[in-house]
Order: sequence, then C-alpha cells, then structure tokens
Amino acid sequence: QVQLLESGPGLVKPSETLSLTCTVSGGSIIDSSYFWAWIRQSPGEGLEWIGSVYHSGTVYYNPSLKSRITMSVDTSKNYFSLTLTSVTAADTAVYYCARRRAVVFPNWFDPWGQGTLVTVSS
Amino acid sequence: DIQMTQSPSSLSASVGDRVTLTCRASQSISNHLNWYQQKPGKAPKLLIYGASVLQSGVPSRFSGSGSGTDFTLTISNLQRDDFATYYCQQSFNTIPFTFGPGTKVDIK
Repeated sequence: QVQLLESGPGLVKPSETLSLTCTVSGGSIIDSSYFWAWIRQSPGEGLEWIGSVYHSGTVYYNPSLKSRITMSVDTSKNYFSLTLTSVTAADTAVYYCARRRAVVFPNWFDPWGQGTLVTVSS
Repeated sequence: DIQMTQSPSSLSASVGDRVTLTCRASQSISNHLNWYQQKPGKAPKLLIYGASVLQSGVPSRFSGSGSGTDFTLTISNLQRDDFATYYCQQSFNTIPFTFGPGTKVDIK
C-alpha cells in the first residue's frame, strides 16, 4: 500500500525559504489516477490545503499562498516537493503530504504522511 | 472560498453513546463532503467520502449523511478508540479545498 513520508528542516528563519520533500513508497508517483498534495495544520488556522501537483508538472495552488509557493515532482526518484518563500511565524505548522484522486468526484485525501513540524523562528 | 463550519466544537460522551456531529458549508456542495478522524500527534484519516460512503476498513458504527449545505457524521455505540477530533472537508470547489475547524470528541 502507498505510504508517504515528509522530510525537511524543522526550523526555518523568518524571511527565508521552507523546502520540504515527500517520498512516495509502495506506489508510483506517475500513476495517472492521482494528484499529490501538501496540507498544513497550525493551531490558529486549522487544516489548510496548500496545493496539488500532477506527475506531468501541472500544479494547483491555494490562492492565499500562490505568490510564495512552488511545487514540483521528481518522477525518477518518486517524490514531490514544496517550497515556500518569505516565511513568517504564521507559516509555523505541521506540514502533511497526501494523495488525492485525479477525478472530479468522489475526491478525497488519502493516505497522508505522518507530518513534519516546521517552526519559523530566528 | 467555501467556508466550512462544524458544531459543536467539542463534546463529551461515554463509551456506548451515539453522537452526532454537524458540518455546514457556506454554499451548496452537493455531496462533495469528506470526513476525517485525527488523533493527537497523528495525521488525519479518511473515514467517509461522498458524504455517506464508508472508506474501506472503517467500522460500520460510523455513518454520514447530508447533501447541499448540511451534513452529519454519526457514531453509534461510541468506542474508546473513537475519541478524537473529526474534520469535514469539501471537494466541490477544488481551488481551494477547505476544511472545517473540527469537533473534538472526548471522554465524559
């Protein structure tokens, strides 16, 4: 069964760039049935969808973050990535990667990675 | 964006109880509604999709209903393993997907 695992630094300084990777195991990232997503969870904002990426490189971003995020896929290494620029304390959160179906309906996030806590602090 | 609200924000219940959680969307989302369960320190887990379809492996004591703007998640015969926070999520508008703030179910 497909498993996802996030990796990246746990501490990022304000105004710098956050970079995370999600490694997919037990399945292929080029499976045409799925998009690959990032979701974050902070105490103040709850669960927030950041964006989704397809193996072709097609991306969909949350408009609230669009100016600061980039998502990409490495099909040779079966992982996808997130970069978030100009971070502030408000970007402190647990970041999850997840898989979602590439259909209009039904559409859900499953499975999820275990999550990685990213703290923005000097 | 479609705003999702949930009520109550928390509730206390006993093992064996039947509990009903409510989720409301700011506009009609048909049945494009998913429910997730999250335990402390863990990722959310998909319980129900399409408002009423049980994800494989989820116990039948969980059920979902609703359409349009109002939805419910019912847990009959509450078990100790069910004490957790429950989130709804709409998939009608995919940019952005949005989640409710959650309902925490704890032990009375």
